[in-house]
Amino acid sequence: AQSVTQLGSHVSVSEGALVLLRCNYSSSVPPYLFWYVQYPNQGLQLLLKYTSAATLVKGINGFEAEFKKSETSFHLTKPSAHMSDAAEYFCAVSASNQAGTALIFGKGTTLSVSS
Amino acid sequence: NAGVTQTPKFQVLKTGQSMTLQCAQDMNHNSMYWYRQDPGMGLRLIYYSASEGTTDKGEVPNGYNVSRLNKREFSLRLESAAPSQTSVYFCASSEGGGGLYNEQFFGPGTRLTVL
Repeated sequence: AQSVTQLGSHVSVSEGALVLLRCNYSSSVPPYLFWYVQYPNQGLQLLLKYTSAATLVKGINGFEAEFKKSETSFHLTKPSAHMSDAAEYFCAVSASNQAGTALIFGKGTTLSVSS
Repeated sequence: NAGVTQTPKFQVLKTGQSMTLQCAQDMNHNSMYWYRQDPGMGLRLIYYSASEGTTDKGEVPNGYNVSRLNKREFSLRLESAAPSQTSVYFCASSEGGGGLYNEQFFGPGTRLTVL
């Protein structure tokens, strides 16, 4: 069965600092992985997704993530944090069974950015 | 193009009352989903519909029923609300068709409080 684990429920950085949000996955088949962002009182928005075409995936708003099979990781990074990056971030893995396909989400990491 | 819409945005119920959360998408997607979001728990799948005419249970289906009314609409019903169902409910849709790499598009959410 597929699952994801996000390490750290809360990450705090200063504006301009590196952002690193950690996600490890467990999957018995080649995984399809996603990062979503949720701004306060809004729904989720896709940041980026890994579909095996390239191990380094670039997303919106300057975020990127690297798929490392040897470490079963898909960590999200951004070189320089901006105040507008403050939000909750979710890692997810795609899982399927006979009925269809669904996403399995991690518990989320809240990113705080201070000036 | 409104994407995924949900009604109502907010709702307060008394224990034992019933209600239906409505969801509609205008992207001609095959698959639709209902999640609940609770603090520190991430998003958990309640029910999903891989295609029109089919529904299947997710991780936390107890106390809920769903109806895939047509390709556009997917409703979630609470027959007898309980305080444990206080949560934020998100509807999502995706192209489906078994595509593990298909992203899901989310609605803005319904904030439900059960007293």
